Amino acid sequence: DAGVIQSPRHEVTEMGQEVTLRCKPISGHDYLFWYRQTMMRGLELLIYFNNNVPIDDSGMPEDRFSAKMPNASFSTLKIQPSEPRDSAVYFCASSSDEVGVHYGYTFGSGTRLTVV
Amino acid sequence: EDQVTQSPEALRLQEGESSSLNCSYTVSGLRGLFWYRQDPGKGPEFLFTLYSAGEEKEKERLKATLTKKESFLHITAPKPEDSATYLCAVQAERWGSQGNLIFGKGTKLSVKP
Repeated sequence: DAGVIQSPRHEVTEMGQEVTLRCKPISGHDYLFWYRQTMMRGLELLIYFNNNVPIDDSGMPEDRFSAKMPNASFSTLKIQPSEPRDSAVYFCASSSDEVGVHYGYTFGSGTRLTVV
Repeated sequence: EDQVTQSPEALRLQEGESSSLNCSYTVSGLRGLFWYRQDPGKGPEFLFTLYSAGEEKEKERLKATLTKKESFLHITAPKPEDSATYLCAVQAERWGSQGNLIFGKGTKLSVKP
């Protein structure tokens, strides 16, 4: 398996623009997580899905953030409108009950977002 | 509130100089404590899971231990390729089998030849 695949790797956008981050989880994993990493706050969970259904979105900072998982192999995180304080590295991770409790989550390589 | 604190923030070692990283945690009902390694420009990579106080796990030059309040990652005779940021995370029982890993901010380890 190619692991968790995120795109794009880097995104530079202007304040006010819409940004869409994409994630393809590992086949067979039924949990998907979106995390944000900054120097100040470290890794923070934004939202997670189980079987394509959002379970906990309490970490989503504002209504400007939304996430969808239309099927088991694809998820998006959208920011509209974007602001400079959204600049961070966004990670997607996936897991399953069979592996997660022993091996934690498998993370993608992240999307580095810069909002200017 | 669940919380994870790692120390030190940064650690510089000479090759072969053994040391330990600390992870202090507060969680109501620990399901598991996880150690990850993160290289620059990459996502965290799983190293160990510990479940109960007294448990130890080893992998090459790394050994992780767990008490009721903290975990240590011992690095024996480190090599430059061990340079990375090491992250600790806890998962509470109340979150179910997969919910919400709470991460510390990490310890950035640099090993000089």
